[in-house]
Amino acid sequence: AQSVSQHNHHVILSEAASLELGCNYSYGGTVNLFWYVQYPGQHLQLLLKYFSGDPLVKGIKGFEAEFIKSKFSFNLRKPSVQWSDTAEYFCAVTRGNNRLAFGKGNQVVVIP
Amino acid sequence: ETGVTQTPRHLVMGMTNKKSLKCEQHLGHNAMYWYKQSAKKPLELMFVYNFKEQTENNSVPSRFSPECPNSSHLFLHLHTLQPEDSALYLCASSRGQGEEETQYFGPGTRLLVL
Repeated sequence: AQSVSQHNHHVILSEAASLELGCNYSYGGTVNLFWYVQYPGQHLQLLLKYFSGDPLVKGIKGFEAEFIKSKFSFNLRKPSVQWSDTAEYFCAVTRGNNRLAFGKGNQVVVIP
Repeated sequence: ETGVTQTPRHLVMGMTNKKSLKCEQHLGHNAMYWYKQSAKKPLELMFVYNFKEQTENNSVPSRFSPECPNSSHLFLHLHTLQPEDSALYLCASSRGQGEEETQYFGPGTRLLVL
């Protein structure tokens, strides 16, 4: 069965705090990895993606994610969050095709 | 704005009604997707179309009937739905179905079945 795990569904933090959201997947073999973000009232949009190469991926708005193959993980990080980072964050995986398997998401609230 | 639009944005229907959701993409893409986002569940892929041909039906009940008349438009026809079908239905498109293609999502239709 498909499995993409995101823990700590609700995260509340203050501005300037650091954020790390975990993502683990249960597939073997080659995978492509994505983080999508959904701001309040907006559509789902791509934050960053990893296909190959440098396992540390830089995305938009100061986000980055690190692919650790041995841990089947693709954790998302931002050193210093802003109020505007309040959103729901989704990790997703594809395996040799374009069929996205999503995690349940992390609801992040940043308090000014 | 991603170039993928969906109408209506909100829909309330009874279990005996028939309604349709519409998705349109202005990106020149060839692949289109329907996803279902239920509360406390991961986004689930429902259908995939590539060049108007259905390439995936993820075991979706027949009360959901997709239609793709051309590469820019995708419909989801709904009939005799159940309350548990209430969810956010998202449409997405991508240039192709290669594994490195990025999918662009619409804003979704929030459906409530009474």
